[in-house]
Amino acid sequence: AQSVSQHNHHVILSEAASLELGCNYSYGGTVNLFWYVQYPGQHLQLLLKYFSGDPLVKGIKGFEAEFIKSKFSFNLRKPSVQWSDTAEYFCAVKGSWGKLQFGAGTQVVVTP
Amino acid sequence: DGGITQSPKYLFRKEGQNVTLSCEQNLNHDAMYWYRQDPGQGLRLIYYSQIVNDFQKGDIAEGYSVSREKKESFPLTVTSAQKNPTAFYLCASSTPEPERRSGNTIYFGEGSWLTVV
Repeated sequence: AQSVSQHNHHVILSEAASLELGCNYSYGGTVNLFWYVQYPGQHLQLLLKYFSGDPLVKGIKGFEAEFIKSKFSFNLRKPSVQWSDTAEYFCAVKGSWGKLQFGAGTQVVVTP
Repeated sequence: DGGITQSPKYLFRKEGQNVTLSCEQNLNHDAMYWYRQDPGQGLRLIYYSQIVNDFQKGDIAEGYSVSREKKESFPLTVTSAQKNPTAFYLCASSTPEPERRSGNTIYFGEGSWLTVV
């Protein structure tokens, strides 16, 4: 069965530290990949998405993600986090048959 | 403005009762989805539909039912068979196939909070 896995459920780090969140999927065929962020008390917001072309995708707020097809991965990175990056982050995968699945999310806490 | 409208925003239900959550979109999207969001479990897919009069079960379809009689509407019924229905329910829509262009965007409704009392 298709699935989306996020490796870390909780991440705590200090401001200015680098962030990397893992995402792996088990889909065959063509996929579209997304990262969403949900700030406390707010709705989901799209950070970035990958459809084709350059596997390194740049999104909003200084985030980027790299699609590694051979590893079925789409990891999210940010070189230097801020306190305002405290949020829950969701990876999502859409297969060619239309199914859109989300990972369980990673709660990120950035301490001052 | 185009978007997705979910209603009601808050709903209380007695055990043993069915309840229907509404989801309407005016984006002309073919694909629509229903998720529930629980703490620590992310968004879990309940049902999805790629086209009118067709829908597929997601990962947690038991105790739920849907219909897709119109392109713009995808209501979700939470039946009395759903053992743990108290949750936040989120509707979404998008174009149905992976797009090679950058136009494939997923839109979300504002969600519906269902509490079973």
